Amino acid sequence: TQLLEQSPQFLSIQEGENLTVYCNSSSVFSSLQWYRQEPGEGPVLLVTVVTGGEVKKLKRLTFQFGDARKDSSLHITAAQPGDTGLYLCAGAKGGKLIFGQGTELSVKP
Amino acid sequence: ETGVTQTPRHLVMGMTNKKSLKCEQHLGHNAMYWYKQSAKKPLELMFVYSLEERVENNSVPSRFSPECPNSSHLFLHLHTLQPEDSALYLCASSHRLTGMASPLHFGNGTRLTVT
Repeated sequence: TQLLEQSPQFLSIQEGENLTVYCNSSSVFSSLQWYRQEPGEGPVLLVTVVTGGEVKKLKRLTFQFGDARKDSSLHITAAQPGDTGLYLCAGAKGGKLIFGQGTELSVKP
Repeated sequence: ETGVTQTPRHLVMGMTNKKSLKCEQHLGHNAMYWYKQSAKKPLELMFVYSLEERVENNSVPSRFSPECPNSSHLFLHLHTLQPEDSALYLCASSHRLTGMASPLHFGNGTRLTVT
């Protein structure tokens, strides 16, 4: 049973387009983290959201934590080829960090 | 510079070989982790060490054997692996255990191929 579902699993877009990645669960998390993993490298933390309804911005990336702390979204405005990578969400629950299966994003010039 | 260094980056081994993966963190963190990353699957937590004591072992087969000699170093000893063990093995560290929303710092992984 997949505790954290990410959608879409794959996304291929042109430079300049906007996109949204979703991370959904039926479970409540105490916090949620987003990571980006580039080919040949390990995941790198982008942001941690803790409060229900919280919105955080990181340049062209906007992260939102659902009011009930069960889901989260990542919106990228005007995507760039440098945004290409695997985006992972991870929820903290019961002393553990549970990862989604990831969204593979490809931004073509 | 990730602060977490893994060696080797690539490893090809036969099913009867014995090899070890090494991880070193330079961040002064107290917790270290081994994760397995396979295509289209979530990261699988294998082992967790906190202050050099193993605190979690997620039903990992005994052909994987971890060792944490101090808070900066973590090893994963491999023997008689199966082809389905081929994956990217990631080491990570955190200031505290992840239940406290402490972010993970990952190494760049060891790409393991079992032939």
